[in-house]
Amino acid sequence: SQTIHQWPATLVQPVGSPLSLECTVEGTSNPNLYWYRQAAGRGLQLLFYSVGIGQISSEVPQNLSASRPQDRQFILSSKKLLLSDSGFYLCAWSSGRSYYEQYFGPGTRLTVT
Amino acid sequence: AQSVAQPEDQVNVAEGNPLTVKCTYSVSGNPYLFWYVQYPNRGLQFLLKYITGDNLVKGSYGFEAEFNKSQTSFHLKKPSALVSDSALYFCAVRRGDSSYKLIFGSGTRLLVRP
Repeated sequence: SQTIHQWPATLVQPVGSPLSLECTVEGTSNPNLYWYRQAAGRGLQLLFYSVGIGQISSEVPQNLSASRPQDRQFILSSKKLLLSDSGFYLCAWSSGRSYYEQYFGPGTRLTVT
Repeated sequence: AQSVAQPEDQVNVAEGNPLTVKCTYSVSGNPYLFWYVQYPNRGLQFLLKYITGDNLVKGSYGFEAEFNKSQTSFHLKKPSALVSDSALYFCAVRRGDSSYKLIFGSGTRLLVRP
């Protein structure tokens, strides 16, 4: 069966510090991968998605970036965090053979102070 | 443009009563529709999907959803609510015929009182 991991679970970082959040998927190959941010426990904002190694598409211009160094690894980064980067970050994966439903990881709660 | 709307911020229901969480959509082409549930500080859990076929779709934890093409709706239902069903529910639609991206509604908070 497939599983998706995210770490860390929680993170408190000062403004201006760098960020690296990691997501890995097990039990599937060549997944589509997604990064979302959820603010105030409500709507989901798609940040990045990837259909393959090294292929990243950005949905919203911001000071975040994403990379996919391996087939089942997706990393969200920032060189300098802003207060507005605080939120709940969710990684998800989908397979083209399952009618595109996405499966989510447990999330990372980021607080920028 | 593709969109999905959840008109209720919160739904309150007594335990044992039936519940409905509403969702309407607007897409070009055939709609692929999904429901997710989120518990506090957790990721979203997939509940059910409509792709084609029977308009009544059954999913996890006793939930079901009814696809209504004429009303462009996909309401989530459960015959008898549990206190443990209290959570945030999201409706989603696939974005276009050739996209693997989903458009999510704003979410509806379900509160089941004992």
